[in-house]
Amino acid sequence: AQSVTQPDIHITVSEGASLELRCNYSYGATPYLFWYVQSPGQGLQLLLKYFSGDTLVQGIKGFEAEFKRSQSSFNLRKPSVHWSDAAEYFCAVVGSNDYKLSFGAGTTVTVRA
Amino acid sequence: SQTIHQWPATLVQPVGSPLSLECTVEGTSNPNLYWYRQAAGRGLQLLFYSVGIGQISSEVPQNLSASRPQDRQFILSSKKLLLSDSGFYLCAWSIGVSNQPQHFGDGTRLSIL
Repeated sequence: AQSVTQPDIHITVSEGASLELRCNYSYGATPYLFWYVQSPGQGLQLLLKYFSGDTLVQGIKGFEAEFKRSQSSFNLRKPSVHWSDAAEYFCAVVGSNDYKLSFGAGTTVTVRA
Repeated sequence: SQTIHQWPATLVQPVGSPLSLECTVEGTSNPNLYWYRQAAGRGLQLLFYSVGIGQISSEVPQNLSASRPQDRQFILSSKKLLLSDSGFYLCAWSIGVSNQPQHFGDGTRLSIL
């Protein structure tokens, strides 16, 4: 079965600084990977997804993520953080021919002025 | 376009009372449907999923149940709520398997007194 680890529980970053959120997955074959964002009291919004092809994927809100098979990682990045990026971020993985996403525990991002 | 609706948005119930949360999806046919629970400060736990009318898979043994009486309707129920049932409940839908992302509703905040 697949699993996801997000090593950082909480990250604080200054507005305008760069952001990188780590995600490591465990799966025997090529996984399908997703990043979601959740604002307080809201549902999850899909930021981006990776299925195959180019290992650098672009998403909404200026986010991008890079799939590195050798490191079993799918880290999320943003060059310049805005105060509105304060939220909780979840990495998720699903195996081929599966219906069920496995989520990481999430990383809470705080943006300071 | 597809939309997902969950209600109610918030609910306060006494211990031992019944529960019914409803989720409907519009703009698509034969979606996969999911119920998740998110406890405070924790990740998402998949409770149930359904790939068709009347087909329910349970992921975690508990006093909750799910039903899918119509193609685009998914209901989460309990006969007697426990304090431990408190949390944020999220419904989601997807199409097909694996490489299609799940799309989430806005959630129901359930507080048990």
